[in-house]
Amino acid sequence: ETVVTQSPDTLSLSPGETATLSCRASHSVGLNLAWYQQKPGQAPRLLIYAASTRATGVPARFSGSGSGTEFTLTISSLQSEDFAVYYCQQYETFGQGTKLEMK
Amino acid sequence: QVQLMQSGPEVKKTGSSVHVSCSASAGTFNNYAITWVRQAPGQGLEWMGRIIPILSESNYAQRFQGTVIFTADKSTSKAYMEVSSLRSEDTAVYYCATERLSMEQQRLIPKFVFDSWGPGTLITVSS
Repeated sequence: ETVVTQSPDTLSLSPGETATLSCRASHSVGLNLAWYQQKPGQAPRLLIYAASTRATGVPARFSGSGSGTEFTLTISSLQSEDFAVYYCQQYETFGQGTKLEMK
Repeated sequence: QVQLMQSGPEVKKTGSSVHVSCSASAGTFNNYAITWVRQAPGQGLEWMGRIIPILSESNYAQRFQGTVIFTADKSTSKAYMEVSSLRSEDTAVYYCATERLSMEQQRLIPKFVFDSWGPGTLITVSS
């Protein structure tokens, strides 16, 4: 079973800054990685799939990169609505989440 | 995109069973699998398994084998999850979501991409 580890656990940034979230898999998964955003009291929302493809309606400030075992979600020019918890997912395994909080 | 609705919250006794429904308020399930994910209070996401309604085929995460059953009615685009032998640790929000399928070598292959999510159903288990 793949172990998926996200870092950092919490990221404190200000609006307008760039967030860089990392996701590591215990073994290579090619490009089979997705990112989800979850706000309090809401269901997760698909942001990125196949490592770098934005889902329908996702703003261009969200970008994904990486392959194999190392992946990154970058959110440029943070907006107030971007502060949330972000999960990466490889096949059936989700990472533990990174909480992006406003500084 | 398919829009999903789920049944309402429930409080159950330890050892009992619960049924959660998931239906499409717009669109159909025909091109998707329905995957189920749960989230315990304050915790992360846990994939439970899926059903492919047009094939009536299910896959279960190992830890849920034997305690969870997925069913679906493709004619009405409704999916159901039954969780039996409930324990307090099963207290969680249960989500259904559409999962992409692709046709590869004449087989429908689930892709572990969860596009549309239901709002979640809170199941509380207590003694």
